[in-house]
Amino acid sequence: NAGVTQTPKFRVLKTGQSMTLLCAQDMNHEYMYWYRQDPGMGLRLIHYSVGEGTTAKGEVPDGYNVSRLKKQNFLLGLESAAPSQTSVYFCASSYGTTYNEQFFGPGTRLTVL
Amino acid sequence: TQLLEQSPQFLSIQEGENLTVYCNSSSVFSSLQWYRQEPGEGPVLLVTVVTGGEVKKLKRLTFQFGDARKDSSLHITAAQPGDTGLYLCAGVPGSGYALNFGKGTSLLVTP
Repeated sequence: NAGVTQTPKFRVLKTGQSMTLLCAQDMNHEYMYWYRQDPGMGLRLIHYSVGEGTTAKGEVPDGYNVSRLKKQNFLLGLESAAPSQTSVYFCASSYGTTYNEQFFGPGTRLTVL
Repeated sequence: TQLLEQSPQFLSIQEGENLTVYCNSSSVFSSLQWYRQEPGEGPVLLVTVVTGGEVKKLKRLTFQFGDARKDSSLHITAAQPGDTGLYLCAGVPGSGYALNFGKGTSLLVTP
């Protein structure tokens, strides 16, 4: 099992460009999440999904969109990138049980110039 | 968002020393989790504590959940360089399922 994988690992964008980050999991998890991690700010939830075809906003959703067309995939889109979106992005998945223990991908380091 | 405060923020110790890191909140959590994150990688779950007063041991790591389920601690005995990393606590609030993460404790263990 590969667990949670993320594509790409690194990306540099110019302000105003768009891109999509792909997350895939092979554990048949119902719940999937997108976080961003910034120095001194910890992990902050951007969007999450509790099942195929569903999405919901997290703590910092502005400037991002997501889609969960297939259970195993969760896409994070930036329509018009801004320097404030420079960050490390982590995808995670979980069974969605009471304790909601999460499995994380290796991260995508995004720089917006 | 129910805040989880971790302390200390940074910790630098020598191999063989003991240490404790803390995770505190003014809110009650139905469970608390501890993750370790190494540079360039995603967090990895170490343990989940669910009962007030619970103590769990994982080799040299001892995790405790406060009686009131508002705080937790992680104690490492005889730290080793392999323990170096960012330790994150995360809690599931009384209602809901989204995890709230603390900002982490960055631990450096030097030989």
